[in-house]
Amino acid sequence: ETGVTQSPTHLIKTRGQQVTLRCSSQSGHNTVSWYQQALGQGPQFIFQYYREEENGRGNFPPRFSGLQFPNYSSELNVNALELDDSALYLCASSWGREQPLHFGNGTRLTVT
Amino acid sequence: KNEVEQSPQNLTAQEGEFITINCSYSVGISALHWLQQHPGGGIVSLFMLSSGKKKHGRLIATINIQEKHSSLHITASHPRDSAVYICAVQGQGGSEKLVFGKGMKLTVNP
Repeated sequence: ETGVTQSPTHLIKTRGQQVTLRCSSQSGHNTVSWYQQALGQGPQFIFQYYREEENGRGNFPPRFSGLQFPNYSSELNVNALELDDSALYLCASSWGREQPLHFGNGTRLTVT
Repeated sequence: KNEVEQSPQNLTAQEGEFITINCSYSVGISALHWLQQHPGGGIVSLFMLSSGKKKHGRLIATINIQEKHSSLHITASHPRDSAVYICAVQGQGGSEKLVFGKGMKLTVNP
């Protein structure tokens, strides 16, 4: 049990729609990162938030956006969904930018 | 060529065997992570290391910074060790981006 909770666990959306995925971190974890994992591949870094500010971003278009709240929970928003956005979305939190990561179980998004 | 390469891609072992999983990377790093992912998707962080060797129970992780190579060893393997093992590296200079390997699927048969 890592103490990192993601919701929902599964989600089906239609191309063009928007989706919000949520991550609740352990108390005191001020850093959260989001990753996209396509089937059979390793995770890809989307972005990281540290103390509510974006602190690094991978090669994802602007329609992928995020928020981190004062209680260190976090959201990943994806606009104008595409079929290729179908993947497992993982969040990971830590209590510092160079500390071990604690992963949630992920949200499996299917875009039809 | 991917920045992080893992070998082998798949491995089937018998219970009790000693297992080694390898990871090579091509960039300078500040830290390397070994992660375990079970079929449900959840990932558990096993080790985070930047030099030398770490041990936790039956697991040992080593890293050679000069050779840009790390290994994860599992002693006395057990069916519950069956999972995907992923190597990920964190860049230098305050980079927050983790670059992941594709993972190695381990199956340990009783």
